[in-house]
Amino acid sequence: KNQVEQSPQSLIILEGKNCTLQCNYTVSPFSNLRWYKQDTGRGPVSLTIMTFSENTKSNGRYTATLDADTKQSSLHITASQLSDSASYICVVRRLNSGYALNFGKGTSLLVTP
Amino acid sequence: DGGITQSPKYLFRKEGQNVTLSCEQNLNHDAMYWYRQDPGQGLRLIYYSQIVNDFQKGDIAEGYSVSREKKESFPLTVTSAQKNPTAFYLCASSTGTGPVHPLTGELFFGEGSRLTVL
Repeated sequence: KNQVEQSPQSLIILEGKNCTLQCNYTVSPFSNLRWYKQDTGRGPVSLTIMTFSENTKSNGRYTATLDADTKQSSLHITASQLSDSASYICVVRRLNSGYALNFGKGTSLLVTP
Repeated sequence: DGGITQSPKYLFRKEGQNVTLSCEQNLNHDAMYWYRQDPGQGLRLIYYSQIVNDFQKGDIAEGYSVSREKKESFPLTVTSAQKNPTAFYLCASSTGTGPVHPLTGELFFGEGSRLTVL
């Protein structure tokens, strides 16, 4: 059973609009959560990392939130641009897990003109 | 510029052939990884290596082999024993896997290699 669930599976929005992507996880004990952006046919790139004590972190137009009590994270994209079209992957690391990471299946975002 | 280079970007293989995917990094990272990505699925770990001349199987190692003779290089061989090798393969590296450093473990990915079996 996948311990990281992302929603929605796909999303289409108009350029300039905002959107929020969700990540729910059951990984325990929790170490950190990263959001990666993956352009089509490319490797993922880290956007932000959330640790247990952090609630909100921003990276430009990307803002990630974490609620460690409910085991939920969100990625909010403000004033979307065509270049935001990509897959966004949530990755959760278990404490003391070494190499092991838990990957979500990703949310595919399409920003249209 | 520092980074990870994968080659080839596209590869076609006939059934029964072995193929080797190259992965080179100049980030001076200790740990390297190979992941497989299929449509609609999360990344799955094939093999990882934390140090030269040592590597461990991941979740889906059957039909694959690796070597780590140099810190910079971690090639992946897809053997004829892999029943469904058509996929997008991603190589990654990280500074370490130590549990006392929660901010380590960020994966730096290559551009990927797409393997298609004809």
